[in-house]
Amino acid sequence: GENVEQHPSTLSVQEGDSAVIKCTYSDSASNYFPWYKQELGKRPQLIIDIRSNVGEKKDQRIAVTLNKTAKHFSLHITETQPEDSAVYFCAGGGSTLGRLYFGRGTQLTVWP
Amino acid sequence: KAGVTQTPRYLIKTRGQQVTLSCSPISGHRSVSWYQQTPGQGLQFLFEYFSETQRNKGNFPGRFSGRQFSNSRSEMNVSTLELGDSALYLCASSLASRTSGGALTYNEQFFGPGTRLTVL
Repeated sequence: GENVEQHPSTLSVQEGDSAVIKCTYSDSASNYFPWYKQELGKRPQLIIDIRSNVGEKKDQRIAVTLNKTAKHFSLHITETQPEDSAVYFCAGGGSTLGRLYFGRGTQLTVWP
Repeated sequence: KAGVTQTPRYLIKTRGQQVTLSCSPISGHRSVSWYQQTPGQGLQFLFEYFSETQRNKGNFPGRFSGRQFSNSRSEMNVSTLELGDSALYLCASSLASRTSGGALTYNEQFFGPGTRLTVL
């Protein structure tokens, strides 16, 4: 099956700085890569996703890039704010499969 | 539209007991996936149902089972509970659909709030 690895496990940044979280995957058949944000005690929320026919996608302060050749994808958050503090999970899977393979998560802390 | 709902939100059981958790997907979503979340193992896939059929199964023992009803609501059952089953159980719904060729295509997965199970 697919194996998704995520780095770093913790990330601390100053408010206003950028944050980057990186993930790699093993199965070249994977073609769908979502990112979820989970605040303490809450459900994971989909914040952005990318499909393998696209190299980059942006939504306001959040962007995701995908390198299919290297099998890695990254989440970029610019102008970070304290409310961005949460655990972020990357995931990978096939669009014909009803399952996602998750990374272990990154605890992002944004200091004011 | 209302989001994914799960009941109950919290459960405390003792070893050896069994438990049933329920998940109601977003209206119109026919795919329901279940995940177990623990600090040590992260988010792990349990199984996925579409149109009352289990289509995918993760690497969990047979004590973990599930089903889906005709209204797309899903239940999962854990029998003979062990201490290690303590976790947050999350379900996710997806607007899956069939292509003209008959293949299933899944869209985004949206999570419910989870059921926090504690086994004593």
